[in-house]
Amino acid sequence: KQEVTQIPAALSVPEGENLVLNCSFTDSAIYNLQWFRQDPGKGLTSLLLIQSSQREQTSGRLNASLDKSSGRSTLYIAASQPGDSATYLCAAGWDYKLSFGAGTTVTVRA
Amino acid sequence: DAGVIQSPRHEVTEMGQEVTLRCKPISGHDYLFWYRQTMMRGLELLIYFNNNVPIDDSGMPEDRFSAKMPNASFSTLKIQPSEPRDSAVYFCASSTPAGQGINEQFFGPGTRLTVL
Repeated sequence: KQEVTQIPAALSVPEGENLVLNCSFTDSAIYNLQWFRQDPGKGLTSLLLIQSSQREQTSGRLNASLDKSSGRSTLYIAASQPGDSATYLCAAGWDYKLSFGAGTTVTVRA
Repeated sequence: DAGVIQSPRHEVTEMGQEVTLRCKPISGHDYLFWYRQTMMRGLELLIYFNNNVPIDDSGMPEDRFSAKMPNASFSTLKIQPSEPRDSAVYFCASSTPAGQGINEQFFGPGTRLTVL
């Protein structure tokens, strides 16, 4: 079964600290991996998409890596800000479908 | 582009009533996905379409759920009859094909359904 796991479920850091969010998946034959942000009561905002042929993607303070052989992806957020507080969801794409992790809820303390 | 549009944003209904959720994907996107999000089960894929054709409906929980895509710019998810356990946030998302699989999925704001 293709499953996605995100640990920890919640994370609290002081402003300015770098964030490291982990995602693991059971089947390395993924097509792509996508990271999303979800604010309370809102929809999902796409942050980064990494295709299976890529090892990382960067956008501003965000960097996501992909290691298919170990079944892992990591989202790095540099110099965290209170506005980064949200739930971050990882989704692995097999075939044309995404399977989502349960998310990591991040709180950045001012 | 306005992004993926969903309506209504909130729906409160009584058990046994029919509920219809609507979605307009991003123009030019060939793939449309319906998801359900609950605290207990997280985000689950219900069904997806490619070029208006349902491809995989294995996530549809019961026969009470049905989805249609009559044209490239409109899709509906219908629940008949609705039950309290259907209460959830329902998301629609759209995407384009990639060399392998699909590209980035873009989500709508969701419909929060409450069945009393």
